[in-house]
Amino acid sequence: GNSVTQMEGPVTLSEEAFLTINCTYTATGYPSLFWYVQYPGEGLQLLLKATKADDKGSNKGFEATYRKETTSFHLEKGSVQVSDSAVYFCALRLTGANNLFFGTGTRLTVIP
Amino acid sequence: DTGVSQNPRHKITKRGQNVTFRCDPISEHNRLYWYRQTLGQGPEFLTYFQNEAQLEKSRLLSDRFSAERPKGSFSTLEIQRTEQGDSAMYLCASSWTSGGAETQYFGPGTRLLVL
Repeated sequence: GNSVTQMEGPVTLSEEAFLTINCTYTATGYPSLFWYVQYPGEGLQLLLKATKADDKGSNKGFEATYRKETTSFHLEKGSVQVSDSAVYFCALRLTGANNLFFGTGTRLTVIP
Repeated sequence: DTGVSQNPRHKITKRGQNVTFRCDPISEHNRLYWYRQTLGQGPEFLTYFQNEAQLEKSRLLSDRFSAERPKGSFSTLEIQRTEQGDSAMYLCASSWTSGGAETQYFGPGTRLLVL
């Protein structure tokens, strides 16, 4: 079936550290891939997306590249800030479908 | 701010009672989605509307659940005869699509606790 697997958290980093949150997927066809972020007390917000293989999504210093050969969409940021502390969700949408399939989320805490 | 709003933000009820949640999407968005999120899990799709038509329902949506979007604007999600297993965060999202790629914008959610 279709699924999204994220690295388990929580992840704790010091400010200015490099961040990687792994995400791999299983899906039929060529899905669109997304990263959503949920800050404390707020709703899910789209962080970035990629709709085809080799596309790179980027926003707010975060990047993720759609890798079809490894069925991955890992999230990276070169230098995290305390304000990046949140829960990050990887998600996919199948071609021709409308709903999103989410991973279980990875909680990131950045300490000063 | 004209984002997606949900009411109430929190609901505590006793098992067997009925509850109703409301979602107001971003104005002019033609699609509206309901998801459920349990602790430690990602959101799971329940159902979605295009305008007033309910086009898809997940197998998670048992017959105790009903959703409406009567005028193609706000939506309600009702749970009848609540069970403790219904305790979760209920998320609403809306989007605009004309057939191409769409982005779903999420509300803050309604957290339900069934005692």
